[in-house]
Amino acid sequence: EVQLQESGPGLVKPSQSLSLTCSVTGYSITSNYWGWIRKFPGNKMEWMGYISYSGSTSYNPSLKSRISITRDTSKNQFFLQLNSVTTEDTATYYCAKKKLTGSWYFDFWGPGTMVTVSS
Amino acid sequence: DIQMTQSPASLSASLGETISIECRASEDIYSNLAWYQQKSGKSPQLLIYAANRLQDGVPSRFSGSGSGTQYSLKISGMQPEDEGDYFCLQGSKFPFTFGSGTKLEIK
Repeated sequence: EVQLQESGPGLVKPSQSLSLTCSVTGYSITSNYWGWIRKFPGNKMEWMGYISYSGSTSYNPSLKSRISITRDTSKNQFFLQLNSVTTEDTATYYCAKKKLTGSWYFDFWGPGTMVTVSS
Repeated sequence: DIQMTQSPASLSASLGETISIECRASEDIYSNLAWYQQKSGKSPQLLIYAANRLQDGVPSRFSGSGSGTQYSLKISGMQPEDEGDYFCLQGSKFPFTFGSGTKLEIK
């Protein structure tokens, strides 16, 4: 079965970079599409971006040039980097796999990792 | 961006009751809509995709309907394990956007 697991620091200082890893088992990241989604306090959710099976990426314009999603196919991991964070980036971050058939639905998600931005 | 307006924000239902949750899109999303359930501290679980397709393993008491800009999730016969948060996701146009969520509790 497909499993995803987020990891990374739970506390990041303002103006620094947030870096998270998503480790995938049971499915190769060289297939399909893999995304990052976050849930803010108060439950608003935001799709952040994805990396494809070929390594191409697409990002939410709201994150402008702050975001980068990369991967290490040898470890079957993909990564999120968000630069110049502020307290408004405090959220639970999820990595997820796109459902193979159909439109942009995510059928497997990691358990999420909470990141607090605070000095 | 497509705005997804979800209602109600919270809902209390008795066991066995049938409930509905709505999502309205700010423009036509051509049935590219998914419904998720999320229990406290857990990852979201896909219930419905393509507006009315039941994800494998999801109980048949869950159903989805709608088209254009109006969509709904129905639970036919509330069960204790159905307590949780529910949200919709439109997968029609970048950037994908979510409804604001509905908290479902047992009365």
